[in-house]
Amino acid sequence: EAQVTQNPRYLITVTGKKLTVTCSQNMNHEYMSWYRQDPGLGLRQIYYSMNVEVTDKGDVPEGYKVSRKEKRNFPLILESPSPNQTSLYFCASRPSLRGMNTEAFFGQGTRLTVV
Amino acid sequence: ELKVEQNPLFLSMQEGKNYTIYCNYSTTSDRLYWYRQDPGKSLESLFVLLSNGAVKQEGRLMASLDTKARLSTLHITAAVHDLSATYFCAVASGAGSYQLTFGKGTKLSVIP
Repeated sequence: EAQVTQNPRYLITVTGKKLTVTCSQNMNHEYMSWYRQDPGLGLRQIYYSMNVEVTDKGDVPEGYKVSRKEKRNFPLILESPSPNQTSLYFCASRPSLRGMNTEAFFGQGTRLTVV
Repeated sequence: ELKVEQNPLFLSMQEGKNYTIYCNYSTTSDRLYWYRQDPGKSLESLFVLLSNGAVKQEGRLMASLDTKARLSTLHITAAVHDLSATYFCAVASGAGSYQLTFGKGTKLSVIP
């Protein structure tokens, strides 16, 4: 089954304690991205990756890092989480082919609380 | 900077009625997406619109795209309770259309 898998689904952590949210896709998609969803703000793109070892900042990259060492994985790293990073996070992937019906597939979401 | 505006943000409608959600965006784009999100769930892809005049329909939902007006619409026909959800439009931008900017979403409640 084609899917994007995020882990963990729920996480409560303390300010300053480094954490990683994993994202894995089994569709051989080139493009992967991370979003955060906050009430009243919709989804905002944090980082995206066009392929292995190629990443770029989205609209709200501050306080986050990503890496893309393998095609299937795109982890989101919070080196020193702060309470304003409490949010619902989604990972997404899609093929990079232009001009085609390239819908994006979203993971189940990770609800992060930083206290 | 690309801006995407959806309206209305909240919509309460009776079953059987028709309504339209609007999505305006500020710069040229070659693709627009519509997604549905149920409470506590992930996003489900509804439509991908790639060209001016594109129209796609699935059940009671129909989406259209006018790239000249930078406007997409999601039309709901004869609403049923199962359509209650939050609907997002998202506009692709940047080289390779890798950046995706979402509207704030329209929370639809269909009342029996």
